[in-house]
Amino acid sequence: GNSVTQMEGPVTLSEEAFLTINCTYTATGYPSLFWYVQYPGEGLQLLLKATKADDKGSNKGFEATYRKETTSFHLEKGSVQVSDSAVYFCALSSSGNQFYFGTGTSLTVIP
Amino acid sequence: GAGVSQSPSNKVTEKGKDVELRCDPISGHTALYWYRQRLGQGLEFLIYFQGNSAPDKSGLPSDRFSAERTGESVSTLTIQRTQQEDSAVYLCASSRLLAGGRYTQYFGPGTRLTVL
Repeated sequence: GNSVTQMEGPVTLSEEAFLTINCTYTATGYPSLFWYVQYPGEGLQLLLKATKADDKGSNKGFEATYRKETTSFHLEKGSVQVSDSAVYFCALSSSGNQFYFGTGTSLTVIP
Repeated sequence: GAGVSQSPSNKVTEKGKDVELRCDPISGHTALYWYRQRLGQGLEFLIYFQGNSAPDKSGLPSDRFSAERTGESVSTLTIQRTQQEDSAVYLCASSRLLAGGRYTQYFGPGTRLTVL
């Protein structure tokens, strides 16, 4: 079956620290992979995506590389800001247009 | 362009009442999803519509929950005889086809339901 496992939080970092949020997946076929972000009090927003192996999605300084050999899609950012404080969700889309979400990782960045 | 919209943004109801939540997807998006997000938790899939195909209702938690969609437009999620455990944010998303046969998903702002 299809599932997503992501790093449990909460994660607390100082401003300008390096961020990694781990995400691994199980899927049949060749899924597309996504990171969504949910800022406090807001809905989910698509942060970045990758549709095939070795693709790198990037946006707002965040990056994630689709690694088929390790079935991973880890989210990284070189220097986090206070404004990056949010909950981050890893997700996959399998054939048939179904989406599967991880449980979310809460990130707090302190000045 | 316009995104996914949901109404109402907040709904407070008494236990035992029925509620109706509405979702307007992005025009041209063939697929529509409903999710539930309880406080501090992840997304719980409820139901999925794809065009004129039979909906995937596998995530609906009980027969008190139902949803309808007219063609590729508005969807309504109905919860009958609400219970306190139904309190959550109900999220709607619609998706479009990317190049290469892939889909991406866009979320509405959600409806926060509080059952007293």
